[in-house]
Amino acid sequence: AQTVTQSQPEMSVQEAETVTLSCTYDTSESDYYLFWYKQPPSRQMILVIRQEAYKQQNATENRFSVNFQKAAKSFSLKISDSQLGDAAMYFCAYSTYTGTASKLTFGTGTRLQVTL
Amino acid sequence: KAGVTQTPRYLIKTRGQQVTLSCSPISGHRSVSWYQQTPGQGLQFLFEYFSETQRNKGNFPGRFSGRQFSNSRSEMNVSTLELGDSALYLCASSARGRGSLNYGYTFGSGTRLTVV
Repeated sequence: AQTVTQSQPEMSVQEAETVTLSCTYDTSESDYYLFWYKQPPSRQMILVIRQEAYKQQNATENRFSVNFQKAAKSFSLKISDSQLGDAAMYFCAYSTYTGTASKLTFGTGTRLQVTL
Repeated sequence: KAGVTQTPRYLIKTRGQQVTLSCSPISGHRSVSWYQQTPGQGLQFLFEYFSETQRNKGNFPGRFSGRQFSNSRSEMNVSTLELGDSALYLCASSARGRGSLNYGYTFGSGTRLTVV
């Protein structure tokens, strides 16, 4: 079974600084997808960034980028120029598509605080 | 495009009752999956529906069931409610097919169920 581990329950960053959230996963599949989702107090899960396993290039979306290390099964999220609106729970998630079914497996989340 | 719509937003039920939650996916998305979020267990996969058929099921008792209609709207039902069923229930929609996961899953705002 696939598992996703987020070892940092809480992180704090000052506004305008950079922070990295860690995620490791375990799978025997070779083709899969990894995601970072943000869940603010409004509880809406918002897709931050995605990475397909067979793509070597790390994904970037504006201030958000990932460091994908397939051999190490590591998928960290870097947030640059942090803003107050980045404060939220961040979930790392894994998915694979078998041709008949798909599902997301989530980590336990990291609560990010952004301070002035 | 309209987002994923979940109704109702909040629900209070008594132990032993049953409840039905609704999810309307993004137009054109034919896959709908359901997740339970609790402080203790985190985000757990309930089931996935595609073309009115359950394609995948998580490790939940038979009291949890669902269905999907021809317009891709989905409902989940929980019978004989227990206090432990109190949770945020999230619905996610996605297009189907391997490449579609490049676009991730889009979540609704959830239904907060409280069992008293």
